[in-house]
Amino acid sequence: EDQVTQSPEALRLQEGESSSLNCSYTVSGLRGLFWYRQDPGKGPEFLFTLYSAGEEKEKERLKATLTKKESFLHITAPKPEDSATYLCAVQAYGGSQGNLIFGKGTKLSVKP
Amino acid sequence: ETGVTQSPTHLIKTRGQQVTLRCSSQSGHNTVSWYQQALGQGPQFIFQYYREEENGRGNFPPRFSGLQFPNYSSELNVNALELDDSALYLCASSLGGAGYTFGSGTRLTVV
Repeated sequence: EDQVTQSPEALRLQEGESSSLNCSYTVSGLRGLFWYRQDPGKGPEFLFTLYSAGEEKEKERLKATLTKKESFLHITAPKPEDSATYLCAVQAYGGSQGNLIFGKGTKLSVKP
Repeated sequence: ETGVTQSPTHLIKTRGQQVTLRCSSQSGHNTVSWYQQALGQGPQFIFQYYREEENGRGNFPPRFSGLQFPNYSSELNVNALELDDSALYLCASSLGGAGYTFGSGTRLTVV
């Protein structure tokens, strides 16, 4: 069964304290791995798509990496405005069309 | 370029009633997917529409149904509402299933 597990469930950082969020996945054939940011009561906001092991993408203070079993979202020198829930999702080959399988997310709090 | 818009933003319904949620896809996107997100959980896939036909469905009962219109907008209909249907309903649009853009969602409360 295809599934996604994110850890930790919650993470509290001081402003400037770098860290990483983990997304472990089990999928029959990976079509793509997606990272989204979600603010309370809002829809997910797209961050990155990764397609193959070894791929890396960066955007401001965020960097996403991918291996055959997991993905990491590295946050460098975070600011309070980076506080949000970060969701990881995978899309599998052969799965139901359009089916993104999401993890439960990591709730990040950055204190000034 | 306009993003994905959903209406209404909030809705309160009574158990057993029926509800219709609406979604306008991002300009240029021809595919619409619907997700249910319970509190503290990740979104769960309900179904996807492409060219006005359902071409993918998650593990949801038939009382969850949908439509896609020629302008690519979409509706989600839920019949015989249950308390567990209370959730944030998200619509996502894409061009042929690549790169999903989500709307802000409709918060449905069933009492």
